[in-house]
Amino acid sequence: QKEVEQNSGPLSVPEGAIASLNCTYSDRGSQSFFWYRQYSGKSPELIMFIYSNGDKEDGRFTAQLNKASQYVSLLIRDSQPSDSATYLCAVSDSGTYKYIFGTGTRLKVLA
Amino acid sequence: GAGVSQSPSNKVTEKGKDVELRCDPISGHTALYWYRQSLGQGLEFLIYFQGNSAPDKSGLPSDRFSAERTGGSVSTLTIQRTQQEDSAVYLCASSLVADSNQPQHFGDGTRLSIL
Repeated sequence: QKEVEQNSGPLSVPEGAIASLNCTYSDRGSQSFFWYRQYSGKSPELIMFIYSNGDKEDGRFTAQLNKASQYVSLLIRDSQPSDSATYLCAVSDSGTYKYIFGTGTRLKVLA
Repeated sequence: GAGVSQSPSNKVTEKGKDVELRCDPISGHTALYWYRQSLGQGLEFLIYFQGNSAPDKSGLPSDRFSAERTGGSVSTLTIQRTQQEDSAVYLCASSLVADSNQPQHFGDGTRLSIL
């Protein structure tokens, strides 16, 4: 059974701090990794994707991938209350067309 | 519009009725996915289309669920004889092609409530 694990949280950080969201996966063949943000009552919104080991930066967001450790993370710098949401990690299921989704980490940024 | 469009946004119906949910993908996206998300739960994959074909229907919860796609564009998910456990948010996503390495973009979903 291929799995993606995320801490459900809530992860609480003060405004202006760095929020670090983590995800581990079991499928060694996975090639692509996606982070979605989901506000309460809304649908998932793609915010980052990463294919190669290392870091990928986009504004206040940095995705980090370590395929050897089967670990992907999302860093949010200068966290804002508007970043408060559930963050879903999705991993490509090798050999298929599907994603394997984690159950999400709820982030609370405290003003 | 530029994004994935779903309708209706909300649907309330009585147990036993049939419902149809519609999804219009991003223009040019050949792959379309249906998911279900129950309250406080993760995403449950239902079915995907590449063009008008649905190669894998194994995610559909029961034979009351069916889906079709015509013209390589709009898709309809139909639930017959609805049950209370069908209450959930039904999400549609599209991508350029059906490939797990392609980013998927979600619509706003249809919130289905079965009384």
